[in-house]
Amino acid sequence: KAGVTQTPRYLIKTRGQQVTLSCSPISGHRSVSWYQQTPGQGLQFLFEYFSETQRNKGNFPGRFSGRQFSNSRSEMNVSTLELGDSALYLCASSFRDSTEAFFGQGTRLTVV
Amino acid sequence: GENVEQHPSTLSVQEGDSAVIKCTYSDSASNYFPWYKQELGKRPQLIIDIRSNVGEKKDQRIAVTLNKTAKHFSLHITETQPEDSAVYFCAAASMEYGNKLVFGAGTILRVKS
Repeated sequence: KAGVTQTPRYLIKTRGQQVTLSCSPISGHRSVSWYQQTPGQGLQFLFEYFSETQRNKGNFPGRFSGRQFSNSRSEMNVSTLELGDSALYLCASSFRDSTEAFFGQGTRLTVV
Repeated sequence: GENVEQHPSTLSVQEGDSAVIKCTYSDSASNYFPWYKQELGKRPQLIIDIRSNVGEKKDQRIAVTLNKTAKHFSLHITETQPEDSAVYFCAAASMEYGNKLVFGAGTILRVKS
């Protein structure tokens, strides 16, 4: 079956702009989580969506938001981009709680 | 909140030797502990996981042990090979928080041939 798909793979944005990233989970997976990966901070949890509801949220400012659609696809949005938002954004889908999280290839965001 | 500490940050071993990476967690409600391997430029991939009702799990050259009392778990790789070179992350999850994974900082493993 198809894996987790993230689009786009690469993005370059200017400070102050906003960006939307997309994640299509494995078919049948209702949980989608988002992570930010940077060399300095490692893998940090952003939020998790389950059946169109945000179930958990990490310690990120309100500029980071997300949503999930009825087909389980998820988007995350970052508004008013800052240089420090440059990172690899990974999404992961899971079939059930406390089971394997399958990661997408990530979206590499560069803010200039 | 949950915190996961991982040691060492880098580990160099000779091909054929064993490698051990250790993690400690803070939340006693954590009940699921996966290990992920991330090769350069690639996505993290699960290599092994363990649940809180199990003390040890093996899969060929890889094993994980869990000590709930001490709140630590370890990854053991035996007979290391050059293709084991990667960054390894431990993580912890609690049933209270769905699929939220709290990751350790990662260990860069280099296997020298």
